[in-house]
Amino acid sequence: KAGVTQTPRYLIKTRGQQVTLSCSPISGHRSVSWYQQTPGQGLQFLFEYFSETQRNKGNFPGRFSGRQFSNSRSEMNVSTLELGDSALYLCASSLNMDMRGQYFGPGTRLTVT
Amino acid sequence: GENVEQHPSTLSVQEGDSAVIKCTYSDSASNYFPWYKQELGKRPQLIIDIRSNVGEKKDQRIAVTLNKTAKHFSLHITETQPEDSAVYFCAASGGSNYKLTFGKGTLLTVNP
Repeated sequence: KAGVTQTPRYLIKTRGQQVTLSCSPISGHRSVSWYQQTPGQGLQFLFEYFSETQRNKGNFPGRFSGRQFSNSRSEMNVSTLELGDSALYLCASSLNMDMRGQYFGPGTRLTVT
Repeated sequence: GENVEQHPSTLSVQEGDSAVIKCTYSDSASNYFPWYKQELGKRPQLIIDIRSNVGEKKDQRIAVTLNKTAKHFSLHITETQPEDSAVYFCAASGGSNYKLTFGKGTLLTVNP
């Protein structure tokens, strides 16, 4: 069974631009979570989706948004990029809504200049 | 909301020694506690997890213990090897919060 995949793997953007990241979960997994990873803050929860519904959102500004499609694939969008948004963005999928057995994708490395 | 504290932040051991990483959590409703290993430049990898109805779980050289009363859980790695060198993250989830809350991570270095 294929693992979690994320595209693109690397992105370089300029301040003020927007970006869309994509995540394809493991086949059959219905829950997708997104995390921001930085050296100083570790793994910070962004949001979680199950059956196209956002069930929880972390403490991030409204510039960070996401969605999930009927095939469980998910996208996250960051508008009006800031230098501080430079980070590794990880998505993770799990089979059910209980968050157990969550598996991570390789991440998208976003650099904002 | 849930808060997970992880200690130590760095740990250096000699090959063959044991390593112990400890985490505490704040939300008594949490009932699922996974551990992830992240090697440099790679994705976090689930290595072991425990549910609140179990006190201890082992998988070869790694084990996790849970003390629900004290709200802490620990990762134990025995007979450490250089390939165990990585950052280890603990996490907690439960109730209806639909998220994993992670500790800040422990950088484990196993010296040959």
